[in-house]
Amino acid sequence: DAGVIQSPRHEVTEMGQEVTLRCKPISGHDYLFWYRQTMMRGLELLIYFNNNVPIDDSGMPEDRFSAKMPNASFSTLKIQPSEPRDSAVYFCASSLDDSRNQPQHFGDGTRLSIL
Amino acid sequence: GDSVTQMEGPVTLSEEAFLTINCTYTATGYPSLFWYVQYPGEGLQLLLKATKADDKGSNKGFEATYRKETTSFHLEKGSVQVSDSAVYFCALSGHALNFGKGTSLLVTP
Repeated sequence: DAGVIQSPRHEVTEMGQEVTLRCKPISGHDYLFWYRQTMMRGLELLIYFNNNVPIDDSGMPEDRFSAKMPNASFSTLKIQPSEPRDSAVYFCASSLDDSRNQPQHFGDGTRLSIL
Repeated sequence: GDSVTQMEGPVTLSEEAFLTINCTYTATGYPSLFWYVQYPGEGLQLLLKATKADDKGSNKGFEATYRKETTSFHLEKGSVQVSDSAVYFCALSGHALNFGKGTSLLVTP
């Protein structure tokens, strides 16, 4: 069974540019999560979806960040305009449901560098 | 609110040494507890879990016991290997997992 698939694996771009990160969750998983990982802040939850609907976006840093899930097999995280402080590794994860027993399955992440 | 506190790293051990990484939690209700591992350049992987008090999760020689009386879920391994070098995260169940800050482990030959 394929795991969570993220693309691109690496992205280097100049500040001010639009960045789009993509995620394909595991088939049949109803929950999708976006995280950001930095040395300073560790692992931060940005937003999560249930059945394609955003449930909690309180972790989204500011209006420059937006996330969508147009269908059960695809989600995007967009940063527009990007800034150097957005440089981080962004992870997508999915889980079967939000019951106590279900773990999250992570993708390998997108390493984003904003110059 | 619910939270997880892990011991600060980095932890450096020689091969075959005993490992303990402390994790304590604060939660209402009866959460499940997880340990995740992150190898360099990869995403987090589930290492083990426990869903109720006194449960012991185990995998790849690692163990952790859900202790309600001390609100702890310490990770242990009797004899670490160089390949265990990674970052370890303790996590608490909720609508979204509540992760600790991670503990970096370096095992030297």
